[in-house]
Amino acid sequence: LAKTTQPISMDSYEGQEVNITCSHNNIATNDYITWYQQFPSQGPRFIIQGYKTKVTNEVASLFIPADRKSSTLSLPRVSLSDTAVYYCLVGLYSGAGSYQLTFGKGTKLSVIP
Amino acid sequence: EAEVAQSPRYKITEKSQAVAFWCDPISGHATLYWYRQILGQGPELLVQFQDESVVDDSQLPKDRFSAERLKGVDSTLKIQPAELGDSAMYLCASSTPRDTVNEQFFGPGTRLTVL
Repeated sequence: LAKTTQPISMDSYEGQEVNITCSHNNIATNDYITWYQQFPSQGPRFIIQGYKTKVTNEVASLFIPADRKSSTLSLPRVSLSDTAVYYCLVGLYSGAGSYQLTFGKGTKLSVIP
Repeated sequence: EAEVAQSPRYKITEKSQAVAFWCDPISGHATLYWYRQILGQGPELLVQFQDESVVDDSQLPKDRFSAERLKGVDSTLKIQPAELGDSAMYLCASSTPRDTVNEQFFGPGTRLTVL
């Protein structure tokens, strides 16, 4: 199973850009990184997924450096509603189209007015 | 918008009793996952199905946990006997590959309390 490390918590003011980094030092070329957001008493919700370099969608960007030992979720201009726990998920390719999935322990983001 | 359904939402049981959770994935999603999430931690994958076949159950405590997806649609996770340490949120998710993205859609979960 992959070993991932995330900061336990982060604080940010509204309107600021937030970057959350996940360390995963044993992933290979076919392995992917996904980020999920979770509010209390709800299931996680998909934010973004990538394999390398940079991926951007309407809510976030994901940066993966060349050595792929970490990835950074970037949330532009956060609002109070972005207060949640953010998890990185590493999918380790195990052959035949299958992946071993490991969630990190999560980063609790608190957005301050 | 299609959603993953789970029932019950809450379950309280005494240790040594049997419990079962049900999940109905989004229609057409071939892959189904069961996770356990202990309070304050990330979800831990228990079992993954592709249609009716188990793809990964390496983290499933097979002495007391079992999971089935007989017709490749809905699924049941059972614990027998329940132990105090099984108290957690049990999450079901489903997915279908879209291009190179594998987005999992999670249900609301079943909160299990073992007394």
